[in-house]
Amino acid sequence: GQSLEQPSEVTAVEGAIVQINCTYQTSGFYGLSWYQQHDGGAPTFLSYNALDGLEETGRFSSFLSRSDSYGYLLLQELQMKDSASYFCAVRDPLNTGFQKLVFGTGTRLLVSP
Amino acid sequence: DGGITQSPKYLFRKEGQNVTLSCEQNLNHDAMYWYRQDPGQGLRLIYYSQIVNDFQKGDIAEGYSVSREKKESFPLTVTSAQKNPTAFYLCASSRGTSGNQETQYFGPGTRLLVL
Repeated sequence: GQSLEQPSEVTAVEGAIVQINCTYQTSGFYGLSWYQQHDGGAPTFLSYNALDGLEETGRFSSFLSRSDSYGYLLLQELQMKDSASYFCAVRDPLNTGFQKLVFGTGTRLLVSP
Repeated sequence: DGGITQSPKYLFRKEGQNVTLSCEQNLNHDAMYWYRQDPGQGLRLIYYSQIVNDFQKGDIAEGYSVSREKKESFPLTVTSAQKNPTAFYLCASSRGTSGNQETQYFGPGTRLLVL
């Protein structure tokens, strides 16, 4: 099977940098995705890493180390609107012909003034 | 604008009643999914469909049923057999090709409450 571990909550202040970690265990690996979900809203895709290294998209970056089964989401210049839950996700390797994702339990980010 | 719509936004179910949640997409995606989210929890897969007239059980399918008669539509029925249906239900879609990992696009969700 597969499992993903994330911290349940992270707090930070506006303008700061925060890192949300994700460790995974999976028998096969197709990459790590990150989704953002505001309270009561729909999850939206943020980033995807198939290979080791850092992917940057504006204020958000995502890092992957396949040898360590570890990734993180880095949020810079934090804004109040970044307060949300962040989920990492991997593809279920047992469904080789189908895109079934397995999600972590999510990290709630609280940004204070 | 392309996207996924879900209705209703809130739904109340009486004991012993079946209710159906609507999900429609105009993204021309082949794959569609239903997830359940409980407070402070991640997303758990209920059912998924890779193509019209085909669907598969996810991790928590008991007490739920689906149909996929049209590419655009993937309704979810919460049956009376689901004893704890109160949750936030999310529908999603993706292109459905077997690449490395696809982006899933989510609808706004339906919050189901039991009376």
